[in-house]
Amino acid sequence: DTAVSQTPKYLVTQMGNDKSIKCEQNLGHDTMYWYKQDSKKFLKIMFSYNNKELIINETVPNRFSPKSPDKAHLNLHINSLELGDSAVYFCASSQDTGRTEAFFGQGTRLTVV
Amino acid sequence: KQEVTQIPAALSVPEGENLVLNCSFTDSAIYNLQWFRQDPGKGLTSLLLIQSSQREQTSGRLNASLDKSSGRSTLYIAASQPGDSATYLCAVGVQGGKLIFGQGTELSVKP
Repeated sequence: DTAVSQTPKYLVTQMGNDKSIKCEQNLGHDTMYWYKQDSKKFLKIMFSYNNKELIINETVPNRFSPKSPDKAHLNLHINSLELGDSAVYFCASSQDTGRTEAFFGQGTRLTVV
Repeated sequence: KQEVTQIPAALSVPEGENLVLNCSFTDSAIYNLQWFRQDPGKGLTSLLLIQSSQREQTSGRLNASLDKSSGRSTLYIAASQPGDSATYLCAVGVQGGKLIFGQGTELSVKP
């Protein structure tokens, strides 16, 4: 069983569209994250949720809206997609917000055309 | 502001060689440090987690050290194999569970 799973793996869409990426973890963790990996392969945190509560919002445009229906799921909805949103988006989870190990999903490669 | 730097950016070695990847960070107020491996087009695989109170962790042929006071960590890979070829990422854990990543070291191990 995959510990942290994201869908879809690939997403190609036109500018201006709205799209969602889903993430689920079966590790029983309390904390989930979204990270963005840009074209230079640099990874940066976007959001984190702990027990369905937003903990970190790293000055991401408000076109990006995370939603956590329960502890095991953290979805990312993106409105009015722009060319610059093209990147690989990674979901991750950890036991809590303390000193625990983070586990990452396989990533969603978003291409905006 | 915490910044994480990895040197070298790329490394090519012959199979069997022992090697060291370096990671430095500017602020010693970290919770932990985690080393990951990323294969092309794939996700991140956690290799080792070192808590801020620890000096090193070992897993198989991998050994990671942490010197918090000097802001440095190293990942030592013994007897490298072609299957070790990947990008290795260092990340420091800070408040809120946030990870701050370095740019990675792209390793190529030649048969």
